[in-house]
Amino acid sequence: AQSVTQPDIHITVSEGASLELRCNYSYGATPYLFWYVQSPGQGLQLLLKYFSGDTLVQGIKGFEAEFKRSQSSFNLRKPSVHWSDAAEYFCAARPAGTALIFGKGTTLSVSS
Amino acid sequence: DAGVIQSPRHEVTEMGQEVTLRCKPISGHNSLFWYRQTMMRGLELLIYFNNNVPIDDSGMPEDRFSAKMPNASFSTLKIQPSEPRDSAVYFCASSLKAENTEAFFGQGTRLTVV
Repeated sequence: AQSVTQPDIHITVSEGASLELRCNYSYGATPYLFWYVQSPGQGLQLLLKYFSGDTLVQGIKGFEAEFKRSQSSFNLRKPSVHWSDAAEYFCAARPAGTALIFGKGTTLSVSS
Repeated sequence: DAGVIQSPRHEVTEMGQEVTLRCKPISGHNSLFWYRQTMMRGLELLIYFNNNVPIDDSGMPEDRFSAKMPNASFSTLKIQPSEPRDSAVYFCASSLKAENTEAFFGQGTRLTVV
């Protein structure tokens, strides 16, 4: 079945440490890929997106993601996490002709 | 642009009552989506419109749910009759039609059915 999988439900990272959130997709053709962030009580904000070309994409707030076709992955990274990055992160895919399909999300906690 | 506007932000209703959630998409966007977010099931796509026409409503849980888009600037999601298990946050999002554009989300409506 077509799906987006985020294997980690909850991750805790120390402030200043690096971060990697995992995302795998299962589709016949490579869909368009997105990462969104949701702060408590808020809507979803786009961090970055991948359509084609350079497999390393830069986003807002210092985030980047790398598309790896061989692994069907689109992992989100940040070199140094700030306390304000604590939020829920969603990976999403949009296959041709359909709507955005989301993973279950990863909650990021930042410890001081 | 003010972004995607949803109303109300919060709704508390009694079981059996009709609930109507409203959405105004971003001007010029011709795709509109309704999602439901719960702890157990995450973000689920309920229905998807292109140019005011429903394209995929396979996510609508049952006949108690209905959605309309009478014009390009307004959509409603109605639940009749409501049940406690419908309690969730309902998001509306809009995008340009092409798949390689992101969806912009509203702030959501938190629905509580008691």
